[in-house]
Amino acid sequence: DARVTQTPRHKVTEMGQEVTMRCQPILGHNTVFWYRQTMMQGLELLAYFRNRAPLDDSGMPKDRFSAEMPDATLATLKIQPSEPRDSAVYFCASGSWSGEQYFGPGTRLTVT
Amino acid sequence: SQQGEEDPQALSIQEGENATMNCSYKTSINNLQWYRQNSGRGLVHLILIRSNEREKHSGRLRVTLDTSKKSSSLLITASRAADTASYFCATDHNNAGNMLTFGGGTRLMVKP
Repeated sequence: DARVTQTPRHKVTEMGQEVTMRCQPILGHNTVFWYRQTMMQGLELLAYFRNRAPLDDSGMPKDRFSAEMPDATLATLKIQPSEPRDSAVYFCASGSWSGEQYFGPGTRLTVT
Repeated sequence: SQQGEEDPQALSIQEGENATMNCSYKTSINNLQWYRQNSGRGLVHLILIRSNEREKHSGRLRVTLDTSKKSSSLLITASRAADTASYFCATDHNNAGNMLTFGGGTRLMVKP
């Protein structure tokens, strides 16, 4: 049963520290999405890739966030330096050719 | 904004009753999808309906789409306590990479 995996599942860090979140999309899917979910803002799209090329990262604060796909089996989202307002659940999703998205379990980030 | 909006924001029903959730959007779509999110989990794809379809069924789920009114509804029949979750509609506005725009969700509680 193919699934999207994300690591770590939980991360607590202090303000100013670097945070790296990883995602392994479903093999064969050619699009990968990064979302952030908070109670106040709901689900926000941060960035997405097609065939490993970034298509849109306009939802990301560019000064501190970066998203990459070094290969087809790994997508990363980095925050440097992290701030308390970055506390949220970060989801990775991979997209099938027909348009459905398959979400990972998320990384719950707490920045103190 | 192209964001879909769900209505109601919250719904509480008894087990066995039907639950209806509505979604409205503003600009033309390629397809519309419904997702479920259990507390603390990632979103799970439920059903996709294309712009040239009017109704689709999957088990106890029935989705309708009215492109003239730019609206969709999700009906869950004979609800169960396990259906308690948040339900999101997401619209594909034919952007590159099948990007989806998610609404704010409907929180459904099914009381046993």
